[in-house]
Amino acid sequence: QVQLVQSGGEVEKPGASVKVSCKASGYTFTSYGVSWVRQAPGQGLEWMGWISANNGRTSYAQKFQGRATMTTDTSTSTAYMELRSLTSDDAAVYYCARVPGGGGSSILEYWGQGTLVTVSS
Amino acid sequence: QSVLTQPPSASGTPGQRVTISCSGSNSNIGENSANWYQQLPGTAPKLLIYSGNQRPSGVPDRFSGSKSGTSASLAISGLQSDDESVYYCAAWDDILTRPVFGGGTKLTVL
Repeated sequence: QVQLVQSGGEVEKPGASVKVSCKASGYTFTSYGVSWVRQAPGQGLEWMGWISANNGRTSYAQKFQGRATMTTDTSTSTAYMELRSLTSDDAAVYYCARVPGGGGSSILEYWGQGTLVTVSS
Repeated sequence: QSVLTQPPSASGTPGQRVTISCSGSNSNIGENSANWYQQLPGTAPKLLIYSGNQRPSGVPDRFSGSKSGTSASLAISGLQSDDESVYYCAAWDDILTRPVFGGGTKLTVL
């Protein structure tokens, strides 16, 4: 069965970076993309960006351009999302989700369990 | 401020039929299908309806989606206590060139 297993919670200081991993199993990793979505405490869902696991093509929400980097490692079927220059506004649960391979989709078929990122001095 | 507009709350009694609306614009729901996600407390969202009215395997047919113009709706019939959840709509936006979400609707089963 399709599974996306994310790395554990992180506590970072303001100004630091965080890198979250998302290990996929149960399907051909390179046939799909991975989107990253975050959810601040008590808030709704915010799309951060997408990466094609086939060719590494990325698309970022304007808000995260230049501050977020999404990558994949096809040898381990793992996607990564790094966010730099953290502020308290970045405290949230970060989710990865599988999306149809071609990109340009709001169909997030399967989700990881989420990774809580806490930003605190 | 979410691009898609949902009512913050909805409620119904067991067995009842409830609908949740999602209002958008020509660049998102007007041109593209809406998708719906269910987020149970403390868990990750789950795809509930995609491409407007399709259900992933395992989703009961009590859940259905529809669209009219620039608005979409999620209907839940035969309401059950474990339907109590937050429901989000989403659609691709052709101008923003990214998925956009509604703010979520918290459904309470009375």
